Amino acid sequence: GAGVSQSPSNKVTEKGKDVELRCDPISGHTALYWYRQSLGQGLEFLIYFQGNSAPDKSGLPSDRFSAERTGGSVSTLTIQRTQQEDSAVYLCASSLEWANYGYTFGSGTRLTVV
Amino acid sequence: GENVEQHPSTLSVQEGDSAVIKCTYSDSASNYFPWYKQELGKGPQLIIDIRSNVGEKKDQRIAVTLNKTAKHFSLHITETQPEDSAVYFCAAPNFGNEKLTFGTGTRLTIIP
Repeated sequence: GAGVSQSPSNKVTEKGKDVELRCDPISGHTALYWYRQSLGQGLEFLIYFQGNSAPDKSGLPSDRFSAERTGGSVSTLTIQRTQQEDSAVYLCASSLEWANYGYTFGSGTRLTVV
Repeated sequence: GENVEQHPSTLSVQEGDSAVIKCTYSDSASNYFPWYKQELGKGPQLIIDIRSNVGEKKDQRIAVTLNKTAKHFSLHITETQPEDSAVYFCAAPNFGNEKLTFGTGTRLTIIP
């Protein structure tokens, strides 16, 4: 597609439920990134994919968070047993190959845990 | 890993005046320095970037300067307009260019 597409744009879930967030990167971009942005805060790195592999998962906050990427394209970020502190905007970005090609971000998924 | 510091955290300027945002980085091997603009409810958008083989780059009213010796780079916006109001983030790649580390952001407000 022309840009990075994320769905849903908004998600309200009850504490303890599982959620899945989807990212569809720009076609041909081999690198894919997930970041988290809490209200009024900066960009917190979560995980990075190169193709279908995740060389760097160092930013995942706990074992309740996981992500996968299939076919070198779509990625899903899963949060199990959601907690109120998981409420944030989850941003996905893709890059042609490496970070120094620049990122293109999606519009994000705003997750609210009630 | 890379550490990026950004100042100021908030900046208000009169419409028509210039705005300058500064960032420092820690990894002397970093070779790429982008700036992103984030408007309310949207994802960050790349507005300008510079590579380490040049000291300055301009694109209409925005420019970025790089001082490799001091490990800092700056965003300059001239003739500011209300639509420049947004949060701006600088970034630098980690060793190996695998991911970007972002500054903490600057909320720029243009006063009409």
